[in-house]
Amino acid sequence: DVKVTQSSRYLVKRTGEKVFLECVQDMDHENMFWYRQDPGLGLRLIYFSYDVKMKEKGDIPEGYSVSREKKERFSLILESASTNQTSMYLCASSPPLRPRGNTIYFGEGSWLTVV
Amino acid sequence: AQSVTQLDSQVPVFEEAPVELRCNYSSSVSVYLFWYVQYPNQGLQLLLKYLSGSTLVKGINGFEAEFNKSQTSFHLRKPSVHISDTAEYFCAVSPIYNQGGKLIFGQGTELSVKP
Repeated sequence: DVKVTQSSRYLVKRTGEKVFLECVQDMDHENMFWYRQDPGLGLRLIYFSYDVKMKEKGDIPEGYSVSREKKERFSLILESASTNQTSMYLCASSPPLRPRGNTIYFGEGSWLTVV
Repeated sequence: AQSVTQLDSQVPVFEEAPVELRCNYSSSVSVYLFWYVQYPNQGLQLLLKYLSGSTLVKGINGFEAEFNKSQTSFHLRKPSVHISDTAEYFCAVSPIYNQGGKLIFGQGTELSVKP
């Protein structure tokens, strides 16, 4: 069965802390994504990666960085957490969209509260 | 660039009634279209997708959606809803030639099914 695992479901961090959100997929997928979900805004793409050590900025990369040293693992880093980064973070993975029919699979999400 | 608009933020319905969740998109290139569902405290699960071919797409849990190219719409329907369909529903698009198949999401529609 398909599995995208986010290491922490609930985190509380202090302003200015460095925060790591970890994501692992067991499907040998090339593509991995980090989204942020906020009420009334839907999901917004922070960063994505289509290969090991490759990364591209999404729509809201400011304040975030990512790391992909191994194919199965994609980490989201908040260098200095701020209260406006309090949100739900969703990791996802997929094989290449072509050939057609491929689906993007999501993890269960990580609720981050910055105080 | 692409954008997705879900026309209703909340849809309350009674059990066994029909429901339609509306989605419009804007894109200068051809796109794939998706509907995802998010149950409380969970990640997103694919309901259905349109890649090409027949404009009426059937998905899981009795849902279906119709692609209307002239109106750039992809509305989701179910003829008779159950309490268990209470969830948030997201419409999303992905440009066909986009590297990595990243998704652009709408704001989400909360479906609340009442007994």
